[in-house]
Amino acid sequence: KQEVTQIPAALSVPEGENLVLNCSFTDSAIYNLQWFRQDPGKGLTSLLLIQSSQREQTSGRLNASLDKSSGRSTLYIAASQPGDSATYLCAVHMYSGYSTLTFGKGTMLLVSP
Amino acid sequence: DTGVSQNPRHKITKRGQNVTFRCDPISEHNRLYWYRQTLGQGPEFLTYFQNEAQLEKSRLLSDRFSAERPKGSFSTLEIQRTEQGDSAMYLCASSFPTGESYEQYFGPGTRLTVT
Repeated sequence: KQEVTQIPAALSVPEGENLVLNCSFTDSAIYNLQWFRQDPGKGLTSLLLIQSSQREQTSGRLNASLDKSSGRSTLYIAASQPGDSATYLCAVHMYSGYSTLTFGKGTMLLVSP
Repeated sequence: DTGVSQNPRHKITKRGQNVTFRCDPISEHNRLYWYRQTLGQGPEFLTYFQNEAQLEKSRLLSDRFSAERPKGSFSTLEIQRTEQGDSAMYLCASSFPTGESYEQYFGPGTRLTVT
């Protein structure tokens, strides 16, 4: 059974800092990996999707990397802003099954001005 | 097209009552998913449709839960005889396979509170 772990569970940084969120998964037979953002009481916003054949994806100040063999992904946020405050979720899509996602519990990020 | 929509956004019900949620996926997305998220946890998969066919159900989906997707468009999730443990955010997502991508797009969710 696939298990996804996110470290740290919570992170507080001052505005302007660069930061890294970590995601690990136990079964490397993944099809792709998605990073999501979730604001309190809201749904999920897709940030980046990395195919299993890719090493990284970039969108603006966000960069996600994937090392499938070691079962790890990182989300790098450059020059953090208070508006980045949210919970960040990592999810993997397995080759087996019907395209469902397995999520970690998320990292709650607070960026203070 | 403004994305996946869900109604209602919030639902408060008394234990033992039945509730029904609706999800409208992004048009032309043939895959639709339901997830449940409790406080402090990541979303957990409930069920999946490809067009109108329900292809997979999680063990989380007890006999009190039923989902439909008539005509392969919108979907409904019904919970019968609600229990306090059903209190959660119910999320719907849709996707359309393009190339190698199965990117899922999520709706805003329906927050259920069972009193």
